[in-house]
Amino acid sequence: KAGVTQTPRYLIKTRGQQVTLSCSPISGHRSVSWYQQTPGQGLQFLFEYFSETQRNKGNFPGRFSGRQFSNSRSEMNVSTLELGDSALYLCASASGLHQDNEQFFGPGTRLTVL
Amino acid sequence: DQQVKQNSPSLSVQEGRISILNCDYTNSMFDYFLWYKKYPAEGPTFLISISSIKDKNEDGRFTVFLNKSAKHLSLHIVPSQPGDSAVYFCAASADYKLSFGAGTTVTVRA
Repeated sequence: KAGVTQTPRYLIKTRGQQVTLSCSPISGHRSVSWYQQTPGQGLQFLFEYFSETQRNKGNFPGRFSGRQFSNSRSEMNVSTLELGDSALYLCASASGLHQDNEQFFGPGTRLTVL
Repeated sequence: DQQVKQNSPSLSVQEGRISILNCDYTNSMFDYFLWYKKYPAEGPTFLISISSIKDKNEDGRFTVFLNKSAKHLSLHIVPSQPGDSAVYFCAASADYKLSFGAGTTVTVRA
């Protein structure tokens, strides 16, 4: 079974620009969660999508948005980029049917904002 | 507001000895707890989990202990091996949302 894939793996943008990151979950998984990892902060939950609906949301500003398509692929968008948005963005997929479903992580997208 | 805390940013242990990683949480609504391991340039990989109705779960060299009254969990790795050198994240689940600690970097010395 193919794992979780994220594209692109690396991205460099400048302040004020916007960016779209993509995540393809494991086949059959309907839940996709997004996390931001910065040094010393661990993984901060952004949002979770299940069957094209946002089911849960973290405490990030509205500049961070996402969506999920009918094939469960998900995109995350960050508008008006700030220097502090530089981070590793991870997505995780799960079946999503039960709370204790294991989440499988992709390798992440490293975003650098200059 | 950090609901899951790993107060030790790093841990160094000799090969063959026990590694003990600690994690504290504040939200009593968490009902499922997990440990993830992360190598550089890779996403976290699931290690072991425990439901809030249990106090211990064991899987090979890895054992997780949960003390609900103290809102504390720990991960024991016995014996520690060089391949265990990685960042370990504690996570807690509520409403399909995982809250992670900041991570503990484990270094296993030969």
